[in-house]
Amino acid sequence: EVQLMETGGGLVQPGKSLKLTCATSGFTFSTAWMNWVRQSPEKGLEWIARIKPKSTNYATEYAESVKGRFTISRDDSKSSIYLQMNSLKEEDTATYYCTWMGFAYWGQGTLVTVSS
Amino acid sequence: DIQMTQSPSFLSASVGDRVTINCKASQNINKYLNWYQQKLGEAPKRLIYNTNNLQTGIPSRFSGSGSGTDYTLTISSLQPEDFATYFCLQHNSFPGTFGAGTKLELK
Repeated sequence: EVQLMETGGGLVQPGKSLKLTCATSGFTFSTAWMNWVRQSPEKGLEWIARIKPKSTNYATEYAESVKGRFTISRDDSKSSIYLQMNSLKEEDTATYYCTWMGFAYWGQGTLVTVSS
Repeated sequence: DIQMTQSPSFLSASVGDRVTINCKASQNINKYLNWYQQKLGEAPKRLIYNTNNLQTGIPSRFSGSGSGTDYTLTISSLQPEDFATYFCLQHNSFPGTFGAGTKLELK
């Protein structure tokens, strides 16, 4: 059974940092293209980052809204991806999901609230 | 990025009704269109992929159609568990982009 579980969300002040983790199981992680998607009432669902497998040198791509502030990474030995979020803004407040296989599988999400 | 315009934003219907939800892309997306259902507090669940392919385990009352820029999700006979929010997603062009959602409410 495919499982994805996000952790690491919480309340953080503007300008601070937070790191999210998505732990996975039930599929061959090492060859998987993995995505982070976020959802807020204001902006709806928004793709924000993607990481490809080792065969691509772990190529990454980002939405313009997070480029330069967020970093996606992975640890194939732990079947996990990460999202390092720096210089957080109030508009980054959202539920963050990791997804796999063309957005077929989703974790349950983790809520990030950026507020002073 | 491709823009997805979803309509209606809200839909009131009764159990047993037939309903349709539409998504219009800003350019041809070659049938790379998925539909998702989301209930409060839960992650989106894929119902249909690539326009008209039913995800395993999804009831056959859900169906999808379309081509080019215009796509439709149809629920043939609403059941109580179908009252939720529905989203479309195009994945023809990177990055994938979502519709704004349709909230389906009990009349």
